[in-house]
Amino acid sequence: ETGVTQSPTHLIKTRGQQVTLRCSSQSGHNTVSWYQQALGQGPQFIFQYYREEENGRGNFPPRFSGLQFPNYSSELNVNALELDDSALYLCASSAGPEGETQYFGPGTRLLVL
Amino acid sequence: KQEVTQIPAALSVPEGENLVLNCSFTDSAIYNLQWFRQDPGKGLTSLLLIQSSQREQTSGRLNASLDKSSGRSTLYIAASQPGDSATYLCAGRISSGSARQLTFGSGTQLTVLP
Repeated sequence: ETGVTQSPTHLIKTRGQQVTLRCSSQSGHNTVSWYQQALGQGPQFIFQYYREEENGRGNFPPRFSGLQFPNYSSELNVNALELDDSALYLCASSAGPEGETQYFGPGTRLLVL
Repeated sequence: KQEVTQIPAALSVPEGENLVLNCSFTDSAIYNLQWFRQDPGKGLTSLLLIQSSQREQTSGRLNASLDKSSGRSTLYIAASQPGDSATYLCAGRISSGSARQLTFGSGTQLTVLP
């Protein structure tokens, strides 16, 4: 059984650019949640995808968007990058959206200059 | 809005000591609570998940408790080892629409000294 994987591991962008982060969910999982973790803080919920539909969203602007594919992998897209978007982006997969244990990937470290 | 607080922010103990990490939450309508471990620059490793109907969960040297009425959870680590050094995060999940998102505390950074 493969765990949750994310790519790339590190990324450097400049302000105003766009970025796409990728996540492969654990085998048998149909739900992916994305979180942003600033340095020294706990992760903040961005949104969740369940069976290819957005299934809840945290307090993030519309320039944060996502997709989930038929194989349940997922993308996080961020447009018009700002300096404050610099963070560790974590995805978590679970067997369902309603309270099952979430298993996290290693994260993508994004630096916006 | 659910808020989760972890105190202290950092803790240093000698090897072999038993210790307790604290987590408090504001919304007693909690669905479940999960404890995680995070090593520097890494993702999160799930340690224990406690459902709202449970009082505690145990895994090896770890024991987590949940008291909904007081809005508190504790993670007990027995016979601490230097390998336990990491940041420990608790996260509560309440019914928020249909997503049941995890709301995290800021974590307790634990250092176990050899």
